[in-house]
Amino acid sequence: GQQVMQIPQYQHVQEGEDFTTYCNSSTTLSNIQWYKQRPGGHPVFLIQLVKSGEVKKQKRLTFQFGEAKKNSSLHITATQTTDVGTYFCAGRGDYKLSFGAGTTVTVRA
Amino acid sequence: DGGITQSPKYLFRKEGQNVTLSCEQNLNHDAMYWYRQDPGQGLRLIYYSQIVNDFQKGDIAEGYSVSREKKESFPLTVTSAQKNPTAFYLCASSADRGRTEAFFGQGTRLTVV
Repeated sequence: GQQVMQIPQYQHVQEGEDFTTYCNSSTTLSNIQWYKQRPGGHPVFLIQLVKSGEVKKQKRLTFQFGEAKKNSSLHITATQTTDVGTYFCAGRGDYKLSFGAGTTVTVRA
Repeated sequence: DGGITQSPKYLFRKEGQNVTLSCEQNLNHDAMYWYRQDPGQGLRLIYYSQIVNDFQKGDIAEGYSVSREKKESFPLTVTSAQKNPTAFYLCASSADRGRTEAFFGQGTRLTVV
């Protein structure tokens, strides 16, 4: 069945530095979605990518969908303390929405 | 306000008892999902439903049951057959059979003692 894997599981970042989290699927995806969960909260939708090779930006966040539609990445530049949380990718296939294990981000001021 | 509501926020049960978690949405969404979240394991899909009176097993359905008698409601029963039920449970819904964003409830933290 469809599996979505994310790396790294934990990311400790110095404030102001950049980092990237990666998402890989065992099957081709119809779309990829990214969510953020703040500590103690619930996941909140960030963005959806649909087209092969698609790149979207939200301020300091850059999202990319791979050419084969089996992988995706989230790049954050100039990390801030507000970026703390867990970032999940989710892939849709056969109406299932399957989530990766997430990348938990902590920021050193 | 439109949204998705889970209740209660915290739930305690004795081992061997069945317990039902509530999930209600007024977003007119067709698709609804139940996920379980454990530390370091992300969100694992328990059950999902694309339409009223229809639902499918997710990746970890054993020990759980659901019903979808109304579009706005998708309750999850954690049965005594679930070997490790203590976890954070999240309900979500989406329009257009999952082709659009999912909205999550606040979650229910279940503790079985």
